[in-house]
Amino acid sequence: SAVISQKPSRDICQRGTSLTIQCQVDSQVTMMFWYRQQPGQSLTLIATANQGSEATYESGFVIDKFPISRPNLTFSTLTVSNMSPEDSSIYLCSVWGGLANYGYTFGSGTRLTVV
Amino acid sequence: DAKTTQPPSMDCAEGRAANLPCNHSTISGNEYVYWYRQIHSQGPQYIIHGLKNNETNEMASLIITEDRKSSTLILPHATLRDTAVYYCIVSGSYGGATNKLIFGTGTLLAVQP
Repeated sequence: SAVISQKPSRDICQRGTSLTIQCQVDSQVTMMFWYRQQPGQSLTLIATANQGSEATYESGFVIDKFPISRPNLTFSTLTVSNMSPEDSSIYLCSVWGGLANYGYTFGSGTRLTVV
Repeated sequence: DAKTTQPPSMDCAEGRAANLPCNHSTISGNEYVYWYRQIHSQGPQYIIHGLKNNETNEMASLIITEDRKSSTLILPHATLRDTAVYYCIVSGSYGGATNKLIFGTGTLLAVQP
């Protein structure tokens, strides 16, 4: 399966600031997704990152808060904007499709703490 | 909303088979059943998936009922390292709006020594 590298693996940020999380895949993939996992909870899909166009957001998530880029078939970024303590979560990148992929693969996540 | 129902927790003795049930009564004809697990502080790990037929790989077996409204994941010889949250998910597999995984609350499997 595809190998996903997420950066940073963890960060502690001040409220009101923004953090950009990077997701790099070792092979071209068809679909890229971003998830949030709040403490003690299951994963919630934020959006599907579309190459060369605006991301498709799930209900409850908006572009102004979570802008997403996907410039090519192997890379995507998620920005968490104007952070508050409620944004403290693990953010995960997931991919699907492509020659080297089988099913959906997940990165190890970015653990974000907002203080 | 998630389309599956799973028990919140289960226990299993080490070395025994762990049988994890999942109900997906509203599954569509072109939707697959996926199983993932998440060990504490790690990203979800793919286990197995199937459409109609039973499937087996090196990790587990997936038994899907004939009406496809439920399935069971079987870990044949559970070890302590299998302690994790197990997610049963239904999803389309070939692009489009349904090509995404929506997670439910999963089953916390605790393997006991």
